[in-house]
Amino acid sequence: DARVTQTPRDKVTEMGQEVTMRCQPILGHNTVFWYRQTMMQGLELLAYFRNRAPLDDSGMPKDRFSAEMPDATLATLKIQPSEPRDSAVYFCASGLVQRGGVRDNEQFFGPGTRLTVL
Amino acid sequence: KQEVTQIPAALSVPEGENLVLNCSFTDSAIYNLQWFRQDPGKGLTSLLLIQSSQREQTSGRLNASLDKSSGRSTLYIAASQPGDSATYLCAVSHLYNFNKFYFGSGTKLNVKP
Repeated sequence: DARVTQTPRDKVTEMGQEVTMRCQPILGHNTVFWYRQTMMQGLELLAYFRNRAPLDDSGMPKDRFSAEMPDATLATLKIQPSEPRDSAVYFCASGLVQRGGVRDNEQFFGPGTRLTVL
Repeated sequence: KQEVTQIPAALSVPEGENLVLNCSFTDSAIYNLQWFRQDPGKGLTSLLLIQSSQREQTSGRLNASLDKSSGRSTLYIAASQPGDSATYLCAVSHLYNFNKFYFGSGTKLNVKP
């Protein structure tokens, strides 16, 4: 069945290390979202892409975070260098977003990557 | 900036009870509103989506209502079951940027057998 997949599911790393998280959106979806969830801040939108082009990355700390879509089947979120405050669960979501449909902005979430930075 | 609040933060009920979860938002210029369910260690699963022109949506034992002018939505769960135990989040999308969802912090529901 079609679903969003994310790797790794869990990542423990030390401060200063580079972290790369990967997401495979549902085949045929044209929009990919990256979210971060923490107890304090809840769920926050970091960035999203439409047809592989970045549309909004205003929620992302620019100095250390970067997001890309090398192709339609892969989205990546990279943190370099990582810091303890980056510890969170990072979710990827995808959707077939187009105005006019009844559920035209519905998002489908992956299981998340739990990141711990020591 | 849109602020989304969910009350209560946690709720514990005996099995079989009907219950209501509340969601409020500060800016009524929304495109639609979605209710999600999140199980521990899992992603979010979409439950119901209500367009801004609609008043309610139903799916099985779930009914979501929307009062856009007052900035409120409720999720009604009938005849609750232990399997309903999860965190429920509501999210609103912006009228002029319908890709962007603002999420509440969720209500953690525990249904006791």
